[in-house]
Amino acid sequence: GAVVSQHPSRVICKSGTSVKIECRSLDFQATTMFWYRQFPKQSLMLMATSNEGSKATYEQGVEKDKFLINHASLTLSTLTVTSAHPEDSSFYICSARLRSSYEQYFGPGTRLTVT
Amino acid sequence: AQSVSQHNHHVILSEAASLELGCNYSYGGTVNLFWYVQYPGQHLQLLLKYFSGDPLVKGIKGFEAEFIKSKFSFNLRKPSVQWSDTAEYFCAVNAGGTYKYIFGTGTRLKVLA
Repeated sequence: GAVVSQHPSRVICKSGTSVKIECRSLDFQATTMFWYRQFPKQSLMLMATSNEGSKATYEQGVEKDKFLINHASLTLSTLTVTSAHPEDSSFYICSARLRSSYEQYFGPGTRLTVT
Repeated sequence: AQSVSQHNHHVILSEAASLELGCNYSYGGTVNLFWYVQYPGQHLQLLLKYFSGDPLVKGIKGFEAEFIKSKFSFNLRKPSVQWSDTAEYFCAVNAGGTYKYIFGTGTRLKVLA
């Protein structure tokens, strides 16, 4: 149980275009979803916390207009990287938690390459 | 600011050697502690977690960790590693009544067959 999926697993886009990444909890309802960014050989940096039906809470230094997060249902959150630039190339990982649980379940990640 | 540090960035061991990976955090209140493993090309998997109770926690694949409150530490151990334990290991802390994780920098473990 507690499976989280992400789509796509890899995406290549041109500079200036927008890319949407989906995060789904497959077998549970996720009260909260989190979006992380992982740079090569580095740790996971939390970008934002997304609660179903409300606006996402962004971490300091993360541009909310560039990284649009929507959490329209208890099983789906999306991250849209708008006007992508090469420096946005990274590994984006989402996670989800059950109501009243501190444990997070992680998706497999999405490798974004902006050319 | 809260932080989590993992002192060993790269560890190389031979099979059957014992493993201990350090994790220290900076937060004086109640914490929940986690160790995750990321095998090459795979997603993060939970090895073990500590919320309360017995400070010695046993997880999957023969791993265990000990919470030492006085040292703000949650070190991961395994008595005898296998080649299949080659992976990156992350310590994560959830503190202050929030649901957010703060991750350590990770430790890359390579086990030589």
